[in-house]
Amino acid sequence: GEQVEQLPSILRVQEGSSASINCTYENSASNYFPWYKQEPGENPKLIIDIRSNMERKQTQGLIVLLDKKAKRFSLHITDTQPGDSAMYFCAARGSALGRLHFGAGTQLIVIP
Amino acid sequence: EAAVTQSPRNKVAVTGGKVTLSCNQTNNHNNMYWYRQDTGHGLRLIHYSYGAGSTEKGDIPDGYKASRPSQENFSLILELATPSQTSVYFCASGDVLSQNTLYFGAGTRLSVL
Repeated sequence: GEQVEQLPSILRVQEGSSASINCTYENSASNYFPWYKQEPGENPKLIIDIRSNMERKQTQGLIVLLDKKAKRFSLHITDTQPGDSAMYFCAARGSALGRLHFGAGTQLIVIP
Repeated sequence: EAAVTQSPRNKVAVTGGKVTLSCNQTNNHNNMYWYRQDTGHGLRLIHYSYGAGSTEKGDIPDGYKASRPSQENFSLILELATPSQTSVYFCASGDVLSQNTLYFGAGTRLSVL
């Protein structure tokens, strides 16, 4: 199956600065890369995704980059706010439709 | 928004006992999934289903069974619960109709003593 590595496991940033989370995957056939945000005590929710026909996607202060050659993708949160504090999961989908493989998660802490 | 409901929300079980976790979705998604979440491991797939009557093994199926009696319902069954199965369990649904987005339930916190 697919293995997704996610780093760092904990990320502390000052409010207003940017935060970056990096993921790598093994299966070169993977074609869909979503990011989920999980607030304390809540369920994970999709915040942004990117497909393999794109290299960059941006929405509402979030930027996702995909480097298929390096099998690496990343999430960048610009101008972080306390509300961005949460657990973030990257995921990759290989050949099986809808079957996602998740990274271990990054705990983002935004310091006011 | 897609609605996925899990029950119970919290469960304490004894070692060797049988536990059934239930999941219901009202959005007519074909695919349903059971994940467990543990610190340091993220979300790991236990079983999934492509539709009523079908169940497939995920990445960590040992010690778990699944049942999909209808489009709406997907259960996870622990026949002989063990303390290592203490975790938070999430059910999710999704398919091409949802642009492959997974919609998660609120989670079930299971403690096996």
